[in-house]
Amino acid sequence: DTAVSQTPKYLVTQMGNDKSIKCEQNLGHDTMYWYKQDSKKFLKIMFSYNNKELIINETVPNRFSPKSPDKAHLNLHINSLELGDSAVYFCASSPLTSGGAETQYFGPGTRLLVL
Amino acid sequence: SQQGEEDPQALSIQEGENATMNCSYKTSINNLQWYRQNSGRGLVHLILIRSNEREKHSGRLRVTLDTSKKSSSLLITASRAADTASYFCAFSSGSARQLTFGSGTQLTVLP
Repeated sequence: DTAVSQTPKYLVTQMGNDKSIKCEQNLGHDTMYWYKQDSKKFLKIMFSYNNKELIINETVPNRFSPKSPDKAHLNLHINSLELGDSAVYFCASSPLTSGGAETQYFGPGTRLLVL
Repeated sequence: SQQGEEDPQALSIQEGENATMNCSYKTSINNLQWYRQNSGRGLVHLILIRSNEREKHSGRLRVTLDTSKKSSSLLITASRAADTASYFCAFSSGSARQLTFGSGTQLTVLP
């Protein structure tokens, strides 16, 4: 069984559209993340949720809005897509810790191409 | 958040040789982790070394950590073509639950 799953795997869309990416984890983890990986493979944290509460919100345009209906799901909604949003988006999860970050488990990624 | 730096950016070796990748960072850390990313796939955790540890082994992997130099290295011994991938270091610092990732090393192992 897939531990962290994302849908869709590929997303091709026009500039200005609104799209969502879904993420689910069946590991029982409390913390989930969204990362953006650019064309140079640089991986940057976007958001982190712990038990449905936002704990990290890096400098990300407010066109990006995460939503966590329960601790097993963290979806990413993007409004008014721009060319620069083209990237690979990864969801990840990790167990709750008292401090510091432990091992993270990554989904397969969603390849977003904005035309 | 400060990015970690990795070198080399790219490394090409023959099967059976050892591969060494280095990671440097600028802050005090809680732990440092190494991940592998095969082409078109997500990242897979390889090994975690805590700030009070100096060396750790896992199969053909050996990780060292020098907190005085703020650097870590990943050694893959007896490399195989299947080891071809990008390798990333990542570290956490303070009470932050986030990881800061390095710039990655693209390893190519030629059969």
